[in-house]
Amino acid sequence: GENVEQHPSTLSVQEGDSAVIKCTYSDSASNYFPWYKQELGKRPQLIIDIRSNVGEKKDQRIAVTLNKTAKHFSLHITETQPEDSAVYFCAASPTGFQKLVFGTGTRLLVSP
Amino acid sequence: NAGVTQTPKFQVLKTGQSMTLQCAQDMNHEYMSWYRQDPGMGLRLIHYSVGAGITDQGEVPNGYNVSRSTTEDFPLRLLSAAPSQTSVYFCASRDGTVNSPLHFGNGTRLTVT
Repeated sequence: GENVEQHPSTLSVQEGDSAVIKCTYSDSASNYFPWYKQELGKRPQLIIDIRSNVGEKKDQRIAVTLNKTAKHFSLHITETQPEDSAVYFCAASPTGFQKLVFGTGTRLLVSP
Repeated sequence: NAGVTQTPKFQVLKTGQSMTLQCAQDMNHEYMSWYRQDPGMGLRLIHYSVGAGITDQGEVPNGYNVSRSTTEDFPLRLLSAAPSQTSVYFCASRDGTVNSPLHFGNGTRLTVT
């Protein structure tokens, strides 16, 4: 089955810096890659997703890139703000989306 | 729309007790699922359902039962609670379109002593 690895587990940046979180997946049949943000004590919420027929997607300060050959995808946050502090999860879904497999999460801390 | 509603928010059980975590959604979503979240281990899929009357196992199904008698409800049953089941449980749903996003409930924090 699908296995998703996520790095780093923690990431500390200064406000205004960029942050990059990387994930690798094992199942070459996976074709959907969402990213979720979870604030302390809250539920995970989708922030951006990418399909396998797209190499990059951007939404304001957030972008995701996908390299299907290498089976890895990354989340890029530019001009970080303290409210970006949260745990971020990547996920991958094999064809048919019967199961969404999550990475272990990255705790991002943005210091003012 | 209330979205995905989970009850209770908190629960403490003694080892061996049973209980049911409730999950309901009002978005007419076909797909519903249960995840558990443990520190350093992300979100792990317990069981899922692609429609009323259809359920299947996820990554960590042992110790849990589910049923899906209606589109709206997807309860998770712990028949004999164990300390290893101490966790935060999230129910999630999505519609039937390809690659549609998961909508999560607010979670249930369960402690088994």
